[in-house]
Amino acid sequence: DIQMTQSPSTLSASVGDRVTITCRASQSISSWLAWYQQKPGKAPKLLIYKASSLESGVPSRFSGSGSGTEFTLTISSLQPDDFATYHCQQYNSYSRTFGQGTKVEIK
Amino acid sequence: QVQLQESGPGLVKPSETLSLTCTVSGGSISSYYWSWIRQPAGKGLEWIGRIYTSGSTNYNPSLRSRVTMSVDTSKNQFSLKLSSVTAADTAMYYCARDKSSGGPYWYFDLWGRGTLVTVSS
Repeated sequence: DIQMTQSPSTLSASVGDRVTITCRASQSISSWLAWYQQKPGKAPKLLIYKASSLESGVPSRFSGSGSGTEFTLTISSLQPDDFATYHCQQYNSYSRTFGQGTKVEIK
Repeated sequence: QVQLQESGPGLVKPSETLSLTCTVSGGSISSYYWSWIRQPAGKGLEWIGRIYTSGSTNYNPSLRSRVTMSVDTSKNQFSLKLSSVTAADTAMYYCARDKSSGGPYWYFDLWGRGTLVTVSS
């Protein structure tokens, strides 16, 4: 299986901060990467697909970049609603795999 | 809008079979792939497998020997059975809808809220 490694595991930030989360794949996955936001008790929400395509309805402060083995999710100006856990997921291979998650906390 | 809701027993005994159902509301289940994904506490998400509305399935090789999925289009539901469970199968279980980026490249564009299943005697 392709291993996905996210960093950091936890991130403390303030409203208005620019936040970047990194996801690394154990082998090249081209641009077949998605990002999800997860809040306690709620359904995970798709933010980004194909590494940089913004899902409809997702605020433009979210952006994704990267290809091959290294990817980033950036929140340009952190809002109160953005405190959550973020997961990356590769879909280059049959067995789709996820990173371990990055929790964005209030500083 | 389309919503997914997982249901099933929250407690299963070791060696027994875990059974969950996902109900799709606000839209048709037809012509989509539907997946099950789980997340043990404090760990990452794990894809279990998926089913098409024709009944065709794809399973994670690590779980294939214990997984069975089925679909009931008349009820807009699909189901998961995981046999011979152990404490390691304790997790939050999610159902989700697959979406293609084109070709054999699939991500998940819609998720349920999840249901916690604990394996314990």
